Amino acid sequence: GENVEQHPSTLSVQEGDSAVIKCTYSDSASNYFPWYKQELGKGPQLIIDIRSNVGEKKDQRIAVTLNKTAKHFSLHITETQPEDSAVYFCAASYVKEYGNKLVFGAGTILRVKS
Amino acid sequence: DTEVTQTPKHLVMGMTNKKSLKCEQHMGHRAMYWYKQKAKKPPELMFVYSYEKLSINESVPSRFSPECPNSSLLNLHLHALQPEDSALYLCASSQAPQGDTQYFGPGTRLTVL
Repeated sequence: GENVEQHPSTLSVQEGDSAVIKCTYSDSASNYFPWYKQELGKGPQLIIDIRSNVGEKKDQRIAVTLNKTAKHFSLHITETQPEDSAVYFCAASYVKEYGNKLVFGAGTILRVKS
Repeated sequence: DTEVTQTPKHLVMGMTNKKSLKCEQHMGHRAMYWYKQKAKKPPELMFVYSYEKLSINESVPSRFSPECPNSSLLNLHLHALQPEDSALYLCASSQAPQGDTQYFGPGTRLTVL
């Protein structure tokens, strides 16, 4: 089936600390795993993605790691800032007859305290 | 430019009204999507348009009627909605149906009275 589990549901960190959000996916996912950030009153914004031919990808303070054997992937944010406060969604792409379908995790509310 | 625009930003309608949501992208993407997002939940896929043709309807009630007039525009026509249809409606696009990367618009906040 198509299922993505995301943990934790809420995460509070002190400004400057690191934040880690983890997701697991079911067997039939394809090889694409994006992360979206959604601020209040806005649409989801793609912040980083990874394909299964690599194990890690980094973009400034954000990194994503992928463990295909364990079927999990994680988002790492270093040196967190108040503007990182938002809801973060992981997703996995599943191949369908019409194309690829994104299945989202339940989301993580990240609060960065200054 | 990875911008998807949506209008209106907010919409309040009664259960007997007919209204439309609009979405536009100028990235040359050939797949466009409608999602529904309830508060504190992830987006749920409603419809997929592939090369201007409806390719998937995720068991959405007929009171929601999508339309794709051309490769840049996507509409969602609303009629006889229920209060439980109140949500954020998101449009997204990707380069092709087989393209994984989807870019979302800001959404339309719909309230049904």
